[in-house]
Amino acid sequence: GQNIDQPTEMTATEGAIVQINCTYQTSGFNGLFWYQQHAGEAPTFLSYNVLDGLEEKGRFSSFLSRSKGYSYLLLKELQMKDSASYLCAVSPYSGGYQKVTFGTGTKLQVIP
Amino acid sequence: DTEVTQTPKHLVMGMTNKKSLKCEQHMGHRAMYWYKQKAKKPPELMFVYSYEKLSINESVPSRFSPECPNSSLLNLHLHALQPEDSALYLCASSQTGLSEKLFFGSGTQLSVL
Repeated sequence: GQNIDQPTEMTATEGAIVQINCTYQTSGFNGLFWYQQHAGEAPTFLSYNVLDGLEEKGRFSSFLSRSKGYSYLLLKELQMKDSASYLCAVSPYSGGYQKVTFGTGTKLQVIP
Repeated sequence: DTEVTQTPKHLVMGMTNKKSLKCEQHMGHRAMYWYKQKAKKPPELMFVYSYEKLSINESVPSRFSPECPNSSLLNLHLHALQPEDSALYLCASSQTGLSEKLFFGSGTQLSVL
């Protein structure tokens, strides 16, 4: 099975940088996803890591260490619209679909 | 078209009712999913269809019955639900490759009275 841990809540200031950590234990690993979910809305894809290292995509970066079972999402130049829940998710590829399991999510509040 | 469309957006039903949730995508995705999300909790996987065949049923009670009539449509039939089944039901789809992301619909907010 999968066990995924994230901090429950974080607060950061507009314009700052915030790092959201995720640790996982999984039987079978085919990559780690980060999704953003605004209240009452669907999750939207942010990033995917399957190899160790940093993936950068604009203001968002994601890091993976497979040996440590650890990932983080880095958000730079925070904006008020970044207030949302951030979901770390792992997936053991099962052939033809992704059996994605989500962590508990980190609720990020950006304050002025 | 990069959307997953779910209908209805909101549904209120009694415990004796029968209703259906519908999901549609036209991205050519051959994997489709149902997730259930309670307030302040992450989405939990219920069912996975791959190439129109049921691949995963995560021990979901039989009062939930999924159906995949074709590669673009996914239904969830509801019967004799309980108040604790009230939740946001999310449909998602993906390509079938090794690292494909899920595209989610905006969900159906279900209330069971």
